[in-house]
Parts: sequence; structure tokens; C-alpha cells
Amino acid sequence: ETGVTQTPRHLVMGMTNKKSLKCEQHLGHNAMYWYKQSAKKPLELMFVYNFKEQTENNSVPSRFSPECPNSSHLFLHLHTLQPEDSALYLCASSPLGGAEAFFGQGTRLTVV
Amino acid sequence: AQSVTQPDIHITVSEGASLELRCNYSYGATPYLFWYVQSPGQGLQLLLKYFSGDTLVQGIKGFEAEFKRSQSSFNLRKPSVHWSDAAEYFCAVGERDDKIIFGKGTRLHILP
Repeated sequence: ETGVTQTPRHLVMGMTNKKSLKCEQHLGHNAMYWYKQSAKKPLELMFVYNFKEQTENNSVPSRFSPECPNSSHLFLHLHTLQPEDSALYLCASSPLGGAEAFFGQGTRLTVV
Repeated sequence: AQSVTQPDIHITVSEGASLELRCNYSYGATPYLFWYVQSPGQGLQLLLKYFSGDTLVQGIKGFEAEFKRSQSSFNLRKPSVHWSDAAEYFCAVGERDDKIIFGKGTRLHILP
């Protein structure tokens, strides 16, 4: 248990659906991240938030929309996804002045 | 450019044998270095980290890693592996208050 909780753990959605992934941490960390991990690619950093402000967007398609309402919560809103978006989506957080990331257990997303 | 290289995609060792997983990095300054482990369908768990000081660092589960600046390496070792060590291992680099860059991972298989 790392203190970073992701829900749901598994999600199956159609290409026309809209869904959201949730990440929550109560570790007092100021930075939160979304990563994508698919079978054929290495771990890909998608978004970085520092103190609720987005500081990095690694050319992620607009069908992925992040939201960080406060330093403890991070969402990833999904709409009109493609089958190739099926992957494990990992959330992580890190403390102010630190460097190591603490990961949640991930959401296994399947787009049908 | 910052990068992390894990040259071995798969490693197979017998239970009870010693293990060394290789990691090389390219980084402008002295980086923070990490090893993470991921069991199937799970998030990443921090095994150990190096920030400064003693170049041989001890981690959880009996793992250790040695920072060698001259070789830009941070190899992970364990004197005797257990079947439960079968997982994927990620080397990562970063710096204070910045994102972490991950290698592509090495999948460890254990023979009984």
C-alpha cells in the first residue's frame, strides 16, 4: 500500500463512451502524474501536475483530458477512445523537494 | 537528452542464484536514481533510491544497487533470488522537484 489509490481497478468502455479515472493521495504530496503502460511500449508519462497546475503534457491526444481540482485528487477524463488506448493507466505522486514517485495500483482499461 | 537504458529485456535465473540487472543513464547533472519493481497487473513499488553519499544502497526485499559515476551505471543486485522475485524491474532517473524518466524494464524469470 503506497497511499495512492486509483479507481476503478478495471474498466471496459466502448469507443463512444465517456468515463473518468480517479486518483487520490493523502500523503501531502504536491505533484501528481498520469502514466500509460501498454504491452508494446515502455512506461509513457502523459501529464504532470504541480500544485494543481499542469506543467507537462507529452503530446497526449485530446480524447484524454486531465483534471486536478486539488493537490490530493487527479482525474483522467476519457471520451471517444480507440482500441489502441487499451492499457494500464498509472497514477503517481511525489513530495515537495523529493524525487521518488509513489504509484497507485493502476486502472486496467479496455476499449472495445 | 536524459535517458535510461536497460539493455536486457528478459533475464532468467535459477532460484537461489545471484542476480544483477543492468542500468545505464545519460543525465546532465548528478541524478537521483531509482529501481522500481512491478508485479503483473500492479503498480510500481520503489525498491531503493540513490540521492547522494554512499554509492552502495540497500533496498527492500534484500536488493542492493551500486552507483558508478564513471560508468554512468546503477546496477541492481541480489545475492540469492526467490521465486517471488519474478516481476518486471524498472530503473529510473530524475532530480529534485522534476519528473522521473523510466527505462523500458527488464522482466525477470525464475527457474525452480
